[in-house]
Amino acid sequence: DVKVTQSSRYLVKRTGEKVFLECVQDMDHENMFWYRQDPGLGLRLIYFSYDVKMKEKGDIPEGYSVSREKKERFSLILESASTNQTSMYLCASRGQGHWGAFFGQGTRLTVV
Amino acid sequence: KNEVEQSPQNLTAQEGEFITINCSYSVGISALHWLQQHPGGGIVSLFMLSSGKKKHGRLIATINIQEKHSSLHITASHPRDSAVYICAVRRSGAGSYQLTFGKGTKLSVIP
Repeated sequence: DVKVTQSSRYLVKRTGEKVFLECVQDMDHENMFWYRQDPGLGLRLIYFSYDVKMKEKGDIPEGYSVSREKKERFSLILESASTNQTSMYLCASRGQGHWGAFFGQGTRLTVV
Repeated sequence: KNEVEQSPQNLTAQEGEFITINCSYSVGISALHWLQQHPGGGIVSLFMLSSGKKKHGRLIATINIQEKHSSLHITASHPRDSAVYICAVRRSGAGSYQLTFGKGTKLSVIP
């Protein structure tokens, strides 16, 4: 079974802190995605990566950056966390040519 | 207008009832997912469809490509089916890396 693992289930950070959310997948998938999920808005794509060191902006990239130094790991970075970034963050991965996506368990981030 | 619309947004059912959740989309797609999200956040893929119908246990998913519509049915519903059900489409052509999501249907099954 594909496993997509996010480093934390719950995280509380202070405004202005730099925050790293880590995602690791074990199936050699090329494509990895970061989403945030908010009540009434559903899942929205922040960034995705289709290969090592490659990244593309999604629908709401402002305030975020990403890093993909190794194929199995895709990191989401909040350079200076703000309260409006309090949300559930979900990572997903998908193999090239496959149209099924596998999701991590989610990280609930609270910025105070 | 959202490219993926789900209905209803919220659904409460008695245990044993037959449940239908609908998904309509307005873009060309290569595949459609039904996802289940339990309280706590983890998402599980239930079905991936490109045509026809799939069945897994008490869950049935159908898709009509011409009408751009899919339904998720749950027979003999049970309280453990309580979750948010999300429809997601993978667009065909440009943008096909991405999934576009509906806003979800929150299902509560009461004993």
